[in-house]
Amino acid sequence: ILNVEQSPQSLHVQEGDSTNFTCSFPSSNFYALHWYRWETAKSPEALFVMTLNGDEKKKGRISATLNTKEGYSYLYIKGSQPEDSATYLCAFQAAGNKLTFGGGTRVLVKP
Amino acid sequence: KAGVTQTPRYLIKTRGQQVTLSCSPISGHRSVSWYQQTPGQGLQFLFEYFSETQRNKGNFPGRFSGRQFSNSRSEMNVSTLELGDSALYLCASSEEHTIYFGEGSWLTVV
Repeated sequence: ILNVEQSPQSLHVQEGDSTNFTCSFPSSNFYALHWYRWETAKSPEALFVMTLNGDEKKKGRISATLNTKEGYSYLYIKGSQPEDSATYLCAFQAAGNKLTFGGGTRVLVKP
Repeated sequence: KAGVTQTPRYLIKTRGQQVTLSCSPISGHRSVSWYQQTPGQGLQFLFEYFSETQRNKGNFPGRFSGRQFSNSRSEMNVSTLELGDSALYLCASSEEHTIYFGEGSWLTVV
């Protein structure tokens, strides 16, 4: 059973502050690491797909880094806004296509 | 392009019944995966179909089954429903690396 852990489980952020959280995953048999943003009553929205060690991706105020050798990825939100409130999921994809999801980090941005 | 479409969105079934959920992938996507989310649990992988063949399977009992049609549409079936099957069932279609999710089917078993 693959272990994909996200921490913290939840965090409260003041509007305008920056924050980051972690996804840890197995360092063997790596194919890709996915980040999703999931708002209540909507479908998970793909943020990033990261495949190479040292990858850094950015989308607006959100960015992510990847370390496949030590098995972790960070997601950063710069200058948090209330619309950033959501659950952020990471998913480890081994060769063979199956995704294993972490439990998610629930982010609440307070005005 | 239309997104991943799942039907029905909400349904209530009784213990012992069976249920069929449907998923229409994004046009051109041949891979369809199914996931279950129960309260307090992360997304759990059920199975993946590619070109009408099951390519991967998660750790779920045989009551959970699926299939994929020649037009890539997929169905999953749960037989002999149990209370613990109450969950959100998400379908996803993919092409290369990016995976797109539908909005899910909420199943309540009473």
